[in-house]
Amino acid sequence: EDQVTQSPEALRLQEGESSSLNCSYTVSGLRGLFWYRQDPGKGPEFLFTLYSAGEEKEKERLKATLTKKESFLHITAPKPEDSATYLCAVYSGSARQLTFGSGTQLTVLP
Amino acid sequence: EAGVAQSPRYKIIEKRQSVAFWCNPISGHATLYWYQQILGQGPKLLIQFQNNGVVDDSQLPKDRFSAERLKGVDSTLKIQPAKLEDSAVYLCASSLDLSTGELFFGEGSRLTVL
Repeated sequence: EDQVTQSPEALRLQEGESSSLNCSYTVSGLRGLFWYRQDPGKGPEFLFTLYSAGEEKEKERLKATLTKKESFLHITAPKPEDSATYLCAVYSGSARQLTFGSGTQLTVLP
Repeated sequence: EAGVAQSPRYKIIEKRQSVAFWCNPISGHATLYWYQQILGQGPKLLIQFQNNGVVDDSQLPKDRFSAERLKGVDSTLKIQPAKLEDSAVYLCASSLDLSTGELFFGEGSRLTVL
């Protein structure tokens, strides 16, 4: 059974204070790891797909990286509008469905 | 491009009552998903359709939950009878290709069971 664990559960940052969110996973045959952003009262919004260890993707102040056991979402100089819950999900050949973690709730204070 | 449409946005019912949620996916997306998201948790897949057919319903509580996708487009998720633990947000999503991980989610239907 695929497992995804995200840490920390919640993170409060000052505007401009860079940090990283962690997503560790246990899967059989990883096909892809995905990051989503979820705003309150909304559905998740797709951010990145990572397929293999060593791969990196960037979008504005966000950079996602992948190793064989975990992924990091690095947030550089965050702004209040980056406040949201960030969800990590994996897709494996065995499960053939996305398995989501519980998310990290990020709050960026002005 | 219109997004995934869901209704109703909010529903409050008594336990043992029934409820139905409706979803209209993005035009052209063959794959449709229903997820359950309990407060503080990530979404959990209930059922996945490919066109009209069910691909995965292994986590759907079939004694009380049912879902159908008519003509490979709209879908309805029904709960009957509802239990207190069914209180959650029910998210509908659609995609072109699951391997890209890019699912397009609707805003969800929030269910409260009293």
